[in-house]
Parts: sequence; structure tokens; C-alpha cells
Amino acid sequence: DAGVTQSPTHLIKTRGQQVTLRCSPKSGHDTVSWYQQALGQGPQFIFQYYEEEERQRGNFPDRFSGHQFPNYSSELNVNALLLGDSALYLCASSLPLGMKADTQYFGPGTRLTVL
Amino acid sequence: SQQGEEDPQALSIQEGENATMNCSYKTSINNLQWYRQNSGRGLVHLILIRSNEREKHSGRLRVTLDTSKKSSSLLITASRAADTASYFCATERTGANSKLTFGKGITLSVRP
Repeated sequence: DAGVTQSPTHLIKTRGQQVTLRCSPKSGHDTVSWYQQALGQGPQFIFQYYEEEERQRGNFPDRFSGHQFPNYSSELNVNALLLGDSALYLCASSLPLGMKADTQYFGPGTRLTVL
Repeated sequence: SQQGEEDPQALSIQEGENATMNCSYKTSINNLQWYRQNSGRGLVHLILIRSNEREKHSGRLRVTLDTSKKSSSLLITASRAADTASYFCATERTGANSKLTFGKGITLSVRP
């Protein structure tokens, strides 16, 4: 049973560019959440997708957007990249809401470096 | 903003010793979870304790939760060099449906 997978593993971009990160949830999971982890910090919640809609959002600007596909996979898009967007981006999946959805399973992350 | 604060920020112990890590939080919660992270990679879920539970065990792990003090502790018994990692507590606030709020983490070093 494959766990949460993310691609790419590493990415280098320059300021002002746009980036798309991808996530496939664990089998049987339909809720996907994205987190940003700056160096030396704990992960910060970006947003959560369920039934192809954004259900919750953290304190991140509109430059951060996402999408969820019918197969529950998800993308995180960041526009107009800033140096401060350099971080590890983590995707987490969980069981359908209402089915003891409390345990989240994290992927290995995508390391984004903005130059 | 980060809800949890872990204590201490760094811990260095000898293999075989026990490691105790603490976490405090600010708001009412559905549950509290502990995760491990090796070398800045993905988070590994260790244990979850719900707000109506006081203590849980999983292998060499023991977690306690005191909702009146808004605090939790994670005990790793008989530590091994492979336990060297960063440990994070994360809370799911009441009504937050799978949205986790993390602390800054504790760096644990286990010396062989």
C-alpha cells in the first residue's frame, strides 16, 4: 500500500516565477492538506482540500492556490515566488471527514529553493 | 501562528536512557499528536491522544495529556541512536477538522 507521494523531491526557482507541486494521497484517503515548513520551524497549515474544494485555509496570501482532482490527488501552486517561499512543502492525507479522520499521514515533502 | 511550544528545544542523552519531551498549547483541542522528522524530510506519525484520554502507550512511547494545564509529554524509553530526530507536537483545535497546528519542535540527539 503506497503511502503519500509527492513530486518533485527538489525544485529550484527564481524570484517571480511560478511553481506547481504535486501530491498523491494514501490509498483510501480523500482529504489532502498542504503545509509549509521553513528551516528550523514547525510546519504551517496552508490549506485543505476535500471533495475537490478548498475547505480550510491558513494565513497564506492568494499567491498560494491549489486544486484537487477526482482521484483525490492535489496540486499546490505558488505564483510570483519570493525568497521567503523557500521551504519544505509537505502534503498530508487523511480518511474522509467523520471517519476518525484525525490521523494525518505525511509525504516526504518537496524542497523548494527560490533564488 | 504556532499553538504548541515544545520544551526543551534540544535534548542530548545517552543510548539506553529515557527521553522526556513536553508540549504546551493554548486553546481547546480535539486531539494532540506527536510526529518525528528525520533530517528535514517527511513527518512520521508517532501517537495520537484524544482530549478525553489521559495516557496512551505505543511500544517504547508513552504520551500523557493534561487538558486542565493544556500540556502533554512524550516519553521515549530505552532510547536508541536511531531515535535521533526532531520531534513535533501538533494539536487539532476544537472544530478544526484535520487542520494541525505545530510547535517549533525538539531536537533529540541520542549518543551511542
